[in-house]
Amino acid sequence: SQQGEEDPQALSIQEGENATMNCSYKTSINNLQWYRQNSGRGLVHLILIRSNEREKHSGRLRVTLDTSKKSSSLLITASRAADTASYFCATVMNTGFQKLVFGTGTRLLVSP
Amino acid sequence: EAEVAQSPRYKITEKSQAVAFWCDPISGHATLYWYRQILGQGPELLVQFQDESVVDDSQLPKDRFSAERLKGVDSTLKIQPAELGDSAMYLCASSLRSTGNLAKNIQYFGAGTRLSVL
Repeated sequence: SQQGEEDPQALSIQEGENATMNCSYKTSINNLQWYRQNSGRGLVHLILIRSNEREKHSGRLRVTLDTSKKSSSLLITASRAADTASYFCATVMNTGFQKLVFGTGTRLLVSP
Repeated sequence: EAEVAQSPRYKITEKSQAVAFWCDPISGHATLYWYRQILGQGPELLVQFQDESVVDDSQLPKDRFSAERLKGVDSTLKIQPAELGDSAMYLCASSLRSTGNLAKNIQYFGAGTRLSVL
């Protein structure tokens, strides 16, 4: 079963614009991760944010986490056509094993 | 750069037939995961191994699915008999070790096996 929802389900923007994706989850977590998936391929890890962190940056990526609202957002700045992909959030709960529970994903299309 | 290897990339089979998928994790990774991803959805964990032991198979349909990792390295996922609803992408992932500091380990995914059941 999916942990939560991502919003929007699909997003279409022009190169150079910023893209924001939101993720909501249901249970308390140890950390939250964002992954990218190009069409028909496996997933690639982008960034991890711990439950005691509020914001994290990696290159053109900015992730925020609000544990009181059980939500996270991923911002991609100055988007490129190569950023076209599906983006998934995944949560890890405070259990003994690193089990990822994925959201439903946002499909991002960046047009040249 | 080390990768998770999966084969085959694509598999077409008829319902009631048996299918098998193979995964070779990154060398040194103790934890191996099998996920199923239905088109338009996020991956869902089927089974998780720590070395050769199963630590989570709560979402594995055990009447038709089986998984093994006999020597704690590569792994095979089998479906017998396949049903129409099994059509999906099957993804394998690995990580260094899934216990301890949960915020240290990240998972590395293979390219997946796309299964079509006719």
